[in-house]
Amino acid sequence: NAGVTQTPKFQVLKTGQSMTLQCAQDMNHEYMSWYRQDPGMGLRLIHYSVGAGITDQGEVPNGYNVSRSTTEDFPLRLLSAAPSQTSVYFCASSYGKFSSYNSPLHFGNGTRLTVT
Amino acid sequence: SQQGEEDPQALSIQEGENATMNCSYKTSINNLQWYRQNSGRGLVHLILIRSNEREKHSGRLRVTLDTSKKSSSLLITASRAADTASYFCATGASSASKIIFGSGTRLSIRP
Repeated sequence: NAGVTQTPKFQVLKTGQSMTLQCAQDMNHEYMSWYRQDPGMGLRLIHYSVGAGITDQGEVPNGYNVSRSTTEDFPLRLLSAAPSQTSVYFCASSYGKFSSYNSPLHFGNGTRLTVT
Repeated sequence: SQQGEEDPQALSIQEGENATMNCSYKTSINNLQWYRQNSGRGLVHLILIRSNEREKHSGRLRVTLDTSKKSSSLLITASRAADTASYFCATGASSASKIIFGSGTRLSIRP
Protein backbone atom coordinates (compact mmCIF):
# COMPACT_ATOMS: atom_id res chain seq x y z
CA ASN A 1 0.00 0.00 0.00
CA ALA A 2 1.17 3.52 -0.81
CA GLY A 3 -0.84 4.95 2.11
CA VAL A 4 -1.66 8.66 1.73
CA THR A 5 -0.10 10.34 -1.30
CA GLN A 6 0.06 14.11 -1.68
CA THR A 7 1.07 15.99 -4.81
CA PRO A 8 2.86 18.23 -5.48
CA LYS A 9 5.56 18.27 -2.78
CA PHE A 10 6.38 21.93 -3.41
CA GLN A 11 4.50 24.72 -5.13
CA VAL A 12 5.03 28.45 -5.63
CA LEU A 13 2.05 30.59 -6.61
CA LYS A 14 1.53 34.25 -7.31
CA THR A 15 -1.18 36.11 -5.43
CA GLY A 16 -4.55 35.55 -7.10
CA GLN A 17 -3.67 32.29 -8.80
CA SER A 18 -5.70 29.16 -8.14
CA MET A 19 -4.54 25.60 -7.77
CA THR A 20 -5.53 22.18 -6.49
CA LEU A 21 -3.58 20.15 -3.98
CA GLN A 22 -4.11 16.46 -4.58
CA CYS A 23 -4.59 13.78 -1.94
CA ALA A 24 -5.21 10.10 -2.55
CA GLN A 25 -5.35 7.10 -0.22
CA ASP A 26 -5.49 3.41 -1.04
CA MET A 27 -6.61 2.08 2.35
CA ASN A 28 -10.37 2.39 1.74
CA HIS A 29 -10.62 4.94 4.54
CA GLU A 30 -13.90 6.75 5.02
CA TYR A 31 -12.47 9.75 6.86
CA MET A 32 -10.19 12.24 5.11
CA SER A 33 -9.06 15.67 6.16
CA TRP A 34 -6.82 18.62 5.31
CA TYR A 35 -4.65 20.51 7.79
CA ARG A 36 -2.30 23.42 7.46
CA GLN A 37 0.75 23.79 9.64
CA ASP A 38 2.33 27.15 10.34
CA PRO A 39 5.33 27.77 12.62
CA GLY A 40 4.27 27.77 16.26
CA MET A 41 0.62 27.12 15.39
CA GLY A 42 0.47 23.35 15.30
CA LEU A 43 -1.98 21.83 12.84
CA ARG A 44 -5.25 23.56 12.04
CA LEU A 45 -8.11 21.71 10.41
CA ILE A 46 -9.29 23.19 7.09
CA HIS A 47 -11.94 20.75 5.84
CA TYR A 48 -12.83 17.14 6.44
CA SER A 49 -15.00 14.39 4.97
CA VAL A 50 -16.60 11.34 6.57
CA GLY A 51 -17.36 9.66 3.25
CA ALA A 52 -17.86 10.16 -0.47
CA GLY A 53 -20.22 13.05 -1.15
CA ILE A 54 -19.93 14.44 2.39
CA THR A 55 -17.68 17.33 3.41
CA ASP A 56 -17.64 19.78 6.29
CA GLN A 57 -15.68 22.79 7.47
CA GLY A 58 -12.92 22.72 10.01
CA GLU A 59 -11.31 25.53 11.99
CA VAL A 60 -9.94 27.61 9.08
CA PRO A 61 -12.00 26.91 5.91
CA ASN A 62 -12.01 30.38 4.31
CA GLY A 63 -10.29 30.54 0.93
CA TYR A 64 -10.42 26.77 0.40
CA ASN A 65 -12.85 24.39 -1.28
CA VAL A 66 -13.03 20.61 -1.17
CA SER A 67 -15.05 17.86 -2.79
CA ARG A 68 -15.20 14.10 -2.24
CA SER A 69 -16.49 12.36 -5.34
CA THR A 70 -14.70 9.07 -4.57
CA THR A 71 -13.56 7.33 -1.40
CA GLU A 72 -9.92 7.52 -2.54
CA ASP A 73 -9.50 11.20 -3.44
CA PHE A 74 -9.93 14.42 -1.49
CA PRO A 75 -8.54 17.43 -3.42
CA LEU A 76 -8.11 20.84 -1.79
CA ARG A 77 -8.67 23.87 -4.00
CA LEU A 78 -7.24 27.31 -3.36
CA LEU A 79 -9.59 29.69 -5.13
CA SER A 80 -7.46 32.85 -5.20
CA ALA A 81 -4.13 32.39 -3.45
CA ALA A 82 -3.03 34.92 -0.84
CA PRO A 83 0.32 35.28 0.98
CA SER A 84 -1.48 34.26 4.21
CA GLN A 85 -1.98 30.81 2.67
CA THR A 86 1.77 30.19 2.62
CA SER A 87 2.03 27.07 4.73
CA VAL A 88 2.65 23.33 4.77
CA TYR A 89 -0.50 21.38 3.95
CA PHE A 90 -1.12 17.86 5.22
CA CYS A 91 -3.76 15.39 4.14
CA ALA A 92 -4.76 12.64 6.57
CA SER A 93 -7.17 9.71 6.52
CA SER A 94 -8.56 7.15 8.93
CA TYR A 95 -10.91 4.18 8.98
CA GLY A 96 -14.42 5.32 9.84
CA LYS A 97 -15.20 8.35 11.92
CA PHE A 98 -12.40 9.12 14.36
CA SER A 99 -14.50 9.41 17.45
CA SER A 100 -16.59 6.33 16.81
CA TYR A 101 -14.01 3.92 15.47
CA ASN A 102 -11.01 4.81 17.64
CA SER A 103 -8.77 4.63 14.60
CA PRO A 104 -5.53 6.55 14.04
CA LEU A 105 -4.93 9.14 11.37
CA HIS A 106 -2.51 8.31 8.54
CA PHE A 107 -0.71 11.35 7.16
CA GLY A 108 0.80 12.20 3.81
CA ASN A 109 4.22 13.85 3.63
CA GLY A 110 2.83 17.30 2.99
CA THR A 111 2.81 19.99 0.33
CA ARG A 112 4.91 23.07 0.99
CA LEU A 113 3.13 26.05 -0.59
CA THR A 114 4.57 29.53 -1.00
CA VAL A 115 2.41 32.42 -2.23
CA THR A 116 4.29 35.50 -3.37
CA SER B 1 -9.56 27.76 19.21
CA GLN B 2 -7.55 24.59 19.51
CA GLN B 3 -8.93 21.68 21.48
CA GLY B 4 -5.62 20.39 22.76
CA GLU B 5 -2.79 22.38 24.25
CA GLU B 6 0.59 20.82 24.95
CA ASP B 7 2.94 21.78 27.73
CA PRO B 8 5.81 22.55 27.67
CA GLN B 9 6.22 24.11 24.22
CA ALA B 10 9.85 22.99 24.15
CA LEU B 11 11.86 20.49 26.16
CA SER B 12 15.58 19.69 26.07
CA ILE B 13 16.95 16.72 27.99
CA GLN B 14 20.04 14.53 28.13
CA GLU B 15 20.03 11.23 26.30
CA GLY B 16 18.91 8.48 28.65
CA GLU B 17 16.65 10.73 30.72
CA ASN B 18 12.87 10.52 30.72
CA ALA B 19 10.72 13.11 28.91
CA THR B 20 7.21 14.06 30.00
CA MET B 21 4.78 16.09 27.92
CA ASN B 22 1.29 17.17 28.90
CA CYS B 23 -1.88 17.85 26.96
CA SER B 24 -5.05 19.58 28.10
CA TYR B 25 -8.32 19.64 26.20
CA LYS B 26 -11.70 21.29 26.49
CA THR B 27 -14.61 19.04 25.55
CA SER B 28 -15.74 15.47 26.20
CA ILE B 29 -13.81 13.01 24.09
CA ASN B 30 -14.01 9.40 22.93
CA ASN B 31 -10.26 9.03 22.78
CA LEU B 32 -7.00 10.92 22.72
CA GLN B 33 -4.03 10.22 20.50
CA TRP B 34 -0.38 11.19 20.46
CA TYR B 35 1.62 11.76 17.28
CA ARG B 36 5.27 12.40 16.49
CA GLN B 37 6.57 14.62 13.70
CA ASN B 38 10.15 14.56 12.54
CA SER B 39 11.40 17.71 10.86
CA GLY B 40 9.93 18.17 7.39
CA ARG B 41 7.79 15.04 7.56
CA GLY B 42 4.16 14.09 8.12
CA LEU B 43 2.87 13.04 11.52
CA VAL B 44 3.16 9.46 12.69
CA HIS B 45 0.67 7.90 15.10
CA LEU B 46 2.21 6.75 18.39
CA ILE B 47 -0.55 5.65 20.72
CA LEU B 48 -4.31 5.93 21.30
CA ILE B 49 -6.01 5.89 24.67
CA ARG B 50 -9.77 5.50 25.00
CA SER B 51 -11.81 7.65 27.34
CA ASN B 52 -12.48 4.67 29.65
CA GLU B 53 -8.76 3.89 29.99
CA ARG B 54 -6.46 5.55 32.51
CA GLU B 55 -3.05 4.34 31.38
CA LYS B 56 -1.55 2.67 28.34
CA HIS B 57 1.94 1.45 27.46
CA SER B 58 3.69 0.89 24.15
CA GLY B 59 7.40 0.09 24.30
CA ARG B 60 9.12 3.09 25.94
CA LEU B 61 5.92 5.16 25.78
CA ARG B 62 3.46 5.54 28.64
CA VAL B 63 0.30 7.57 28.26
CA THR B 64 -2.09 8.55 31.03
CA LEU B 65 -5.53 10.07 30.72
CA ASP B 66 -7.48 11.93 33.40
CA THR B 67 -10.91 12.75 32.02
CA SER B 68 -11.95 14.57 35.19
CA LYS B 69 -9.12 17.06 34.64
CA LYS B 70 -9.34 16.86 30.84
CA SER B 71 -5.63 16.16 30.61
CA SER B 72 -3.18 13.57 29.33
CA SER B 73 0.54 12.99 29.64
CA LEU B 74 3.06 11.23 27.42
CA LEU B 75 6.16 9.80 29.07
CA ILE B 76 9.11 8.65 26.97
CA THR B 77 11.54 6.62 29.04
CA ALA B 78 15.27 6.21 28.42
CA SER B 79 15.30 8.84 25.67
CA ARG B 80 17.41 8.43 22.55
CA ALA B 81 18.70 10.88 19.96
CA ALA B 82 16.12 9.50 17.51
CA ASP B 83 13.32 10.72 19.82
CA THR B 84 14.17 14.31 18.84
CA ALA B 85 10.92 15.49 17.19
CA SER B 86 7.73 17.42 17.82
CA TYR B 87 4.95 15.64 19.68
CA PHE B 88 1.26 16.45 19.30
CA CYS B 89 -1.89 15.34 21.04
CA ALA B 90 -5.12 15.07 19.07
CA THR B 91 -8.68 14.76 20.28
CA GLY B 92 -12.04 14.05 18.76
CA ALA B 93 -15.06 15.35 20.60
CA SER B 94 -17.66 12.73 21.45
CA SER B 95 -20.29 14.52 19.42
CA ALA B 96 -18.26 15.44 16.35
CA SER B 97 -15.96 14.03 13.70
CA LYS B 98 -13.44 16.86 13.79
CA ILE B 99 -9.97 15.86 14.93
CA ILE B 100 -8.20 18.80 16.47
CA PHE B 101 -4.50 19.02 17.24
CA GLY B 102 -2.64 21.04 19.81
CA SER B 103 0.36 23.24 19.07
CA GLY B 104 2.87 20.55 20.04
CA THR B 105 5.96 20.06 22.19
CA ARG B 106 9.40 20.26 20.57
CA LEU B 107 11.63 17.66 22.19
CA SER B 108 15.41 17.83 21.80
CA ILE B 109 17.65 15.05 23.08
CA ARG B 110 21.21 16.13 23.87
CA PRO B 111 23.95 13.50 23.35
